[in-house]
Amino acid sequence: SQTIHQWPATLVQPVGSPLSLECTVEGTSNPNLYWYRQAAGRGLQLLFYSVGIGQISSEVPQNLSASRPQDRQFILSSKKLLLSDSGFYLCAWSRSGTHNQPQHFGDGTRLSIL
Amino acid sequence: AQTVTQSQPEMSVQEAETVTLSCTYDTSESDYYLFWYKQPPSRQMILVIRQEAYKQQNATENRFSVNFQKAAKSFSLKISDSQLGDAAMYFCAYRSRPTQGGSEKLVFGKGTKLTVNP
Repeated sequence: SQTIHQWPATLVQPVGSPLSLECTVEGTSNPNLYWYRQAAGRGLQLLFYSVGIGQISSEVPQNLSASRPQDRQFILSSKKLLLSDSGFYLCAWSRSGTHNQPQHFGDGTRLSIL
Repeated sequence: AQTVTQSQPEMSVQEAETVTLSCTYDTSESDYYLFWYKQPPSRQMILVIRQEAYKQQNATENRFSVNFQKAAKSFSLKISDSQLGDAAMYFCAYRSRPTQGGSEKLVFGKGTKLTVNP
């Protein structure tokens, strides 16, 4: 069966510090991968998606970036965090090449910027 | 661009009763997919039910069912025999039919907080 792991679960960082959140998927190959952010009291906003190694598409311009160094690894990064980067970050995967497969989410990372 | 609207920020239901959560969406596409996700206090997003737009039959999953009205662009979720464990944020989501090399990104509504009273 497929599983998705996301870490850390909780992170407290000062303004201006770097960020690296990691997500890995097991039990499938060539998945589509996604990073979402959920601000308090709001729905999910898609930040980045990837359909393959090294292929990253950005949905929202910001100081965050994403990378996919391996087939089942998706990393969310920032060189300098802003207060507005606080939120709940969710990684998700879906099968590629299929039409009705849902996205499956990780447990999320709660990021607090001080 | 597609949009998803959940007009009920909060709903409550008595245990064992039935509740319906509303969702409307706006799209010019004819083929797409709709989902309901549940997010309990643990914050994990859990798929509840999904519907393909080309299917006229409403999807059902045990106590969960949808009322899909394509012409009205409405996709409501009915929870029957509500249980305490159903308490969560519920998100309606829309996904276009994927294109070659394109993503299958979801567009989410802002969610409805469901409280189940014992």
